[in-house]
Amino acid sequence: NAGVMQNPRHLVRRRGQEARLRCSPMKGHSHVYWYRQLPEEGLKFMVYLQKENIIDESGMPKERFSAEFPKEGPSILRIQQVVRGDSAAYFCASSPASYPSYEQYFGPGTRLTVT
Amino acid sequence: SQQGEEDPQALSIQEGENATMNCSYKTSINNLQWYRQNSGRGLVHLILIRSNEREKHSGRLRVTLDTSKKSSSLLITASRAADTASYFCATAEFYNQGGKLIFGQGTELSVKP
Repeated sequence: NAGVMQNPRHLVRRRGQEARLRCSPMKGHSHVYWYRQLPEEGLKFMVYLQKENIIDESGMPKERFSAEFPKEGPSILRIQQVVRGDSAAYFCASSPASYPSYEQYFGPGTRLTVT
Repeated sequence: SQQGEEDPQALSIQEGENATMNCSYKTSINNLQWYRQNSGRGLVHLILIRSNEREKHSGRLRVTLDTSKKSSSLLITASRAADTASYFCATAEFYNQGGKLIFGQGTELSVKP
C-alpha cells in the first residue's frame, strides 16, 4: 500500500509565477490536509478537504492560495503570483476519516523555493 | 494561535541515555499525537494518546498526558544515533470535528554515538 505521494519534491519558481503542488492520498483515504512548514518552525494547518469539498480553510491566506480535491485525481494546492515569503515546505496528509481520533499520514513534502 | 509549545527546543544526549521532551497546549483536546521528522524529510507518526488516557507505550517510547496541566511528555529510552531528529507534538482540538492538527515548534534531538 503506497503511502501519501507528493510531487514535485522540489519546485523553484520566480516571483510572480504560479506554483502547483500535487498530493495523492493513501489508498482508501478520502480526507486530505495541507500544512506549511517555514524554516525552523513547526507545521501550520492550511486547509482540509474531502472529495470535491473544502471543509476547513481557516489556515489559508486570503489571497493567491487555493486548493481542490476533485472527484478524480490528486489534490492540488495552487499558489498564484508567488512571493519570496511563500518559500517553505508544503506537506500533505491523509486520513481515512475526519473524526479527530484518526492519525494522519504525511507525504514527503514539496519544497518550494521562490527566487 | 500556536497550540503546542515544546520544551526544550534542543536536546543533546549520548547514545544509551534517555531523552525526555515536553509539550504544553492551551485548549481542550480530543487527542495528542507525537511525530518525528528527520532533516529535510516528511513526518512519521509515532504515537497517539487520547484525552481519557494517561500513559501509553510503544517500543522504546513512553508518552504521558496530564489534561489538568494541559501537558504531555515523550520519553525515548536507551536512545540511539538513529533517533536524531526533530520531534513534534500535535493536538486535535475537542470541538473541532475536522481533524486538523495543531503542531508545536518541535524539539531538536541530537544523539551522539
